[in-house]
Amino acid sequence: GAGVSQSPRYKVAKRGQDVALRCDPISGHVSLFWYQQALGQGPEFLTYFQNEAQLDKSGLPSDRFFAERPEGSVSTLKIQRTQQEDSAVYLCASSLGDGQILTDTQYFGPGTRLTVL
Amino acid sequence: GQNIDQPTEMTATEGAIVQINCTYQTSGFNGLFWYQQHAGEAPTFLSYNVLDGLEEKGRFSSFLSRSKGYSYLLLKELQMKDSASYLCAALDSNYQLIWGAGTKLIIKP
Repeated sequence: GAGVSQSPRYKVAKRGQDVALRCDPISGHVSLFWYQQALGQGPEFLTYFQNEAQLDKSGLPSDRFFAERPEGSVSTLKIQRTQQEDSAVYLCASSLGDGQILTDTQYFGPGTRLTVL
Repeated sequence: GQNIDQPTEMTATEGAIVQINCTYQTSGFNGLFWYQQHAGEAPTFLSYNVLDGLEEKGRFSSFLSRSKGYSYLLLKELQMKDSASYLCAALDSNYQLIWGAGTKLIIKP
């Protein structure tokens, strides 16, 4: 499997619990994106990495959200003290990031569906 | 502000043709993507347009008019498996994708 993988696929958390969502991008892809997708809506941008550098985190909804990609490959999105409004599908996407727009097409993982009770 | 508009839902018949429209307003523009998303699955890439005109790829075609801020996705010879949401996304001046809410396409036999 050469695609983007995410784990867990489903996560149920009690309000106030911390969660960590993992993304394994396509090997060799420089750029990595996290999105939040509510039911019936398009993805909403959260944050963007180029290699290990987090270049844009303007979409993170609060300081409870934190993302890292320490070695420029696998990334983790952490949500602290989860709230019910955090319930959504969290999508990870990666792209080659070589500056050519078409090859910068983003390839998505299957997502993690987070439900906060 | 930045905005992408597309219809919420469309219904079409198997074997027919359907056109899904998308209008966009973004800070700068570096192209327009269409993605297909089946329920519970990740979006998958369909097309990218940056120049005006029609790009044809098998049963799917995508059109762009930069002056009108308008794109459409044309699906021909509809099959039941085409039932999905179709997401329009514009690449802004910061090369960030601005997404529409998606159009849910229902195919009836």
